[in-house]
Amino acid sequence: GESVGLHLPTLSVQEGDNSIINCAYSNSASDYFIWYKQESGKGPQFIIDIRSNMDKRQGQRVTVLLNKTVKHLSLQIAATQPGDSAVYFCAENSGGSNYKLTFGKGTLLTVNP
Amino acid sequence: DADVTQTPRNRITKTGKRIMLECSQTKGHDRMYWYRQDPGLGLRLIYYSFDVKDINKGEISDGYSVSRQAQAKFSLSLESAIPNQTALYFCATSDGGHPLPNEQFFGPGTRLTVL
Repeated sequence: GESVGLHLPTLSVQEGDNSIINCAYSNSASDYFIWYKQESGKGPQFIIDIRSNMDKRQGQRVTVLLNKTVKHLSLQIAATQPGDSAVYFCAENSGGSNYKLTFGKGTLLTVNP
Repeated sequence: DADVTQTPRNRITKTGKRIMLECSQTKGHDRMYWYRQDPGLGLRLIYYSFDVKDINKGEISDGYSVSRQAQAKFSLSLESAIPNQTALYFCATSDGGHPLPNEQFFGPGTRLTVL
């Protein structure tokens, strides 16, 4: 079946470095993608989204890139801070107007001071 | 106050017991969702509701039931709990976002342990 997956389950970076978290998706019909951040003991929190008619979207210190040719999504975090340490999930909407999200398994980002 | 609240936050129960997890939201959203999170498996959709008269099965609905009592309330029930239902459960809401989807807002989660 269709699925969303992550290339790396863990990522460790130094404070101040840039982080890149990757995600592969397999449903070519997916039209919307979201990145969520989940801190320990909390629910997922929206970071940034991107629609399938876009290649790039920037937020505050974060950028999402979408490559539909290879079905790849990435989250770039600039100047990573200790507070960025969390599990990051990508999610795709494969349900069209029914808007059902399929989540990836998550990547644990650890920022070392 | 939190926009999406879940009760209880933690629950330990025994096999065969009936248990209800409750979710309330003050965001005024029509759409509500229940997810289950297991280590290494991400979030999986159990049930979702697009309005008070609408209930839909998600990816893993077996062993669960839901009730949409009002726009603001969506409860998840385990009629006869079993140990492999031990997990972290999340409620989420969204406003539908017609014609395009938008983000879902998550509650803090309920940690359920079935002995």
